Amino acid sequence: SQTIHQWPATLVQPVGSPLSLECTVEGTSNPNLYWYRQAAGRGLQLLFYSVGIGQISSEVPQNLSASRPQDRQFILSSKKLLLSDSGFYLCAWTHSSDTQYFGPGTRLTVL
Amino acid sequence: AQSVTQLGSHVSVSEGALVLLRCNYSSSVPPYLFWYVQYPNQGLQLLLKYTTGATLVKGINGFEAEFKKSETSFHLTKPSAHMSDAAEYFCAVSDQSGGFKTIFGAGTRLFVKA
Repeated sequence: SQTIHQWPATLVQPVGSPLSLECTVEGTSNPNLYWYRQAAGRGLQLLFYSVGIGQISSEVPQNLSASRPQDRQFILSSKKLLLSDSGFYLCAWTHSSDTQYFGPGTRLTVL
Repeated sequence: AQSVTQLGSHVSVSEGALVLLRCNYSSSVPPYLFWYVQYPNQGLQLLLKYTTGATLVKGINGFEAEFKKSETSFHLTKPSAHMSDAAEYFCAVSDQSGGFKTIFGAGTRLFVKA
């Protein structure tokens, strides 16, 4: 069966510090991968998606970036965090336009 | 372009009462429609989905939804609410023709009163 992992589970970072969140999928190959953010009391905002290694599409211009160095690995990064980057970050995978399978999420607090 | 509107950001029901969460969508192509549930500090998990065929779909935990093309709706119902149903619910739409993105509604938080 397929599983999706995210780490860390929680993170507290000062403003201006770098960020690296990791997502890995097991039990499948060539997945489409997604990063979403949930700000407090708000819905899901799609940040990035990837349909293959090295292929990244950005949905929202901001100080975040994403990379896909391996087929089942998706990384979200920032060089300098802002207060507004706080939120709950979710990784998801899918094949085609059917069901998305979500990871457990990372709670990021920027102070 | 596709979009999803969930009517009501918060819904409160008594335990044992009917649950009705409303969702309307807009899509220029045949849609896939989904309901996901999110418990606090967890990822989303699929409740049910409509792809093709029967318009009344049944999901986990006693939930069901009916695809009504003429009304562009996909409302979620459960005959009798349980305390464990308290969560946030997201309606979503994607493109049957193979688009890569799923569009999510803003979510509806369900409160269940004892």
